[in-house]
Amino acid sequence: EVQLVESGGGLVKPGGSLRLSCVGSGFTFSNAWMNWVRQGPGKGLEWVGRIKSKSNGETIDYAAPVKGRFSISREDSKNTVYLQMNSLRAEDTAMYYCVTGMYSDYWGQGTLVTVSS
Amino acid sequence: DIVMTQSPDSLAMSLGERATINCKSSQSVLYNSNNKNYLAWFQQKPGQPPKLLIYWASTRESGVPDRFSGSGSGTDFTLTISSLQAEDVAVYYCQQYSTTPITFGQGTRLEIK
Repeated sequence: EVQLVESGGGLVKPGGSLRLSCVGSGFTFSNAWMNWVRQGPGKGLEWVGRIKSKSNGETIDYAAPVKGRFSISREDSKNTVYLQMNSLRAEDTAMYYCVTGMYSDYWGQGTLVTVSS
Repeated sequence: DIVMTQSPDSLAMSLGERATINCKSSQSVLYNSNNKNYLAWFQQKPGQPPKLLIYWASTRESGVPDRFSGSGSGTDFTLTISSLQAEDVAVYYCQQYSTTPITFGQGTRLEIK
């Protein structure tokens, strides 16, 4: 059974930093493209970024609102993908989901990030 | 960026009725090289993460009831629920994954009348 477990969310002040982690199991993590998708309170889904597998060059892409502030990395030996978030803003407040694959086939339960003074 | 526009924003149907949700992309999501439409549909119930229903525009994910079907090509797509059940109350999203940034429609809220 595929499982994705996110952690690292919490309350942070504007301008602060946070690192989210997502541990995957039940699939070959090293072959998986891993995405981060967020959902603001009462809002729709917003793709944050993606890291491809090593065999696909570990190419990383970001959404425009987070480019230059957020970075995605992976550690296949630990079946883990990370989202480093810097210079956080109120509008980054959201549930952050870790999602596998090209067409987002599996989703974690999410970790909540709140940016507020 | 490819803009995904869903219609309607909300829908109220009776149990057993057919429900249809439309999704239009601002550019084609059909790749001629493999003749695949890079379009997925998701269902999100309150307090839960989204769940993949349909990918490649019309391929049903394993375990998804066959009352859910996807159709369309190029820029116009449809999710159909053939006979609405109480457990289908949710918000539905389309998503294009043909190019980054990956983008979602704004969502369609489906309720029981």
